Amino acid sequence: SQQGEEDPQALSIQEGENATMNCSYKTSINNLQWYRQNSGRGLVHLILIRSNEREKHSGRLRVTLDTSKKSSSLLITASRAADTASYFCATGGYSGGGADGLTFGKGTHLIIQP
Amino acid sequence: EAQVTQNPRYLITVTGKKLTVTCSQNMNHEYMSWYRQDPGLGLRQIYYSMNVEVTDKGDVPEGYKVSRKEKRNFPLILESPSPNQTSLYFCASSTGLAGVETQYFGPGTRLLVL
Repeated sequence: SQQGEEDPQALSIQEGENATMNCSYKTSINNLQWYRQNSGRGLVHLILIRSNEREKHSGRLRVTLDTSKKSSSLLITASRAADTASYFCATGGYSGGGADGLTFGKGTHLIIQP
Repeated sequence: EAQVTQNPRYLITVTGKKLTVTCSQNMNHEYMSWYRQDPGLGLRQIYYSMNVEVTDKGDVPEGYKVSRKEKRNFPLILESPSPNQTSLYFCASSTGLAGVETQYFGPGTRLLVL
């Protein structure tokens, strides 16, 4: 199964700045999803981008997908203290009838300094 | 409120003592799955279920059992827990395959096996 790897592993920025996280994966995908996890809590879905899409927006979030480079980026604009969390990319495959799981990367830990 | 619930949220047990972690969703989702999250390893899928009475192994199924007798419930069973099963466990559900659709996660169950 394919795996996303986030970069950087940790990121610390000032409140109000933009935060960019990257994800790379190895094989063809059906879609790529971004999730947020506050310390020790459940994962919250942020955005799902399908393999035939190049960019999606949701509020202050912007996700791009470049299937030729097998990479995605998550941009959080005008960061807030509440954005402090771990962010995971997850890649989904689909082998015609198979139920490929969602494979998660190890996450980027984002800290927003007040 | 649409949600995935897990019980218990915290559990300390001893090696070999059978335990069950319950998971329930109220969104009429067909697909449910279990993940474990370990430091440095990210989230890994344990088992998944595409519908009632249909279950299959994920990436790390050893030492676990599941059942899906009702659409809303998907319990995780550890017949003989061992210390290497100490982890943070998440249940998730979705309308379709994990690799195709958004996953909705429960709040997590933190398990310590002594």
